[in-house]
Amino acid sequence: QIQLVQSGPELKKPGESLKISCKASGYTFTDYAMQWVKQAPGKGLQYMGWINTQTGKPTYADDFKERFVFSLETSASTAYLQINNLKNEDTATYFCARVYGYNSYWGQGVMVTVSS
Amino acid sequence: DIQMTQSPSSLPASLGDRVTITCRASQDIGNYLRWFQQKPGKSPRLMIYGATNLAAGVPSRFSGSRSGSDYSLTISSLESEDMADYYCLQSKESPFTFGSGTKLEIK
Repeated sequence: QIQLVQSGPELKKPGESLKISCKASGYTFTDYAMQWVKQAPGKGLQYMGWINTQTGKPTYADDFKERFVFSLETSASTAYLQINNLKNEDTATYFCARVYGYNSYWGQGVMVTVSS
Repeated sequence: DIQMTQSPSSLPASLGDRVTITCRASQDIGNYLRWFQQKPGKSPRLMIYGATNLAAGVPSRFSGSRSGSDYSLTISSLESEDMADYYCLQSKESPFTFGSGTKLEIK
């Protein structure tokens, strides 16, 4: 069955960096784009952007054009989200998702806490 | 970017009620509209795709409709398991955009 399994929770200090992984299984990784979604505590879903899993080309929503990097390790069917120079407002749960056609698959989410 | 204006933000309702949530698109998105349900601590679940199509496994009391640039999710007879947050998502144009969400709660 199709699964997206994300890495574990993170506790970081402001200014640090982190890299979250999203490992896909049950389908051909390069057949579908991977989306990234942020959800701050008690807030709604915020679309961050997506990465073309065939070419590796990322597309970022306006709020995520700086400090955020989407990348791939295609041989491992894994997508990554890197956040540089972490800020308190980056505290959130981050989801990877495959949203295409009549299906939708989501990772379980990674809770990131940024605190000094 | 396309803006999705979702209303209401909160919807108190009683079991058995018929409820409707609406998203208005700032520009044409055709039928590139999905509805998601999210329960606390869980990942979102696809309910409706293509504006009007029920996703697999979703109860038939859920339905989606479109009138011009207004898209609606209707639950015909509310059940306790439907209490959750609901979001619309446009996928006509990159970057996709979510509505701000509706919290469906028991009155």
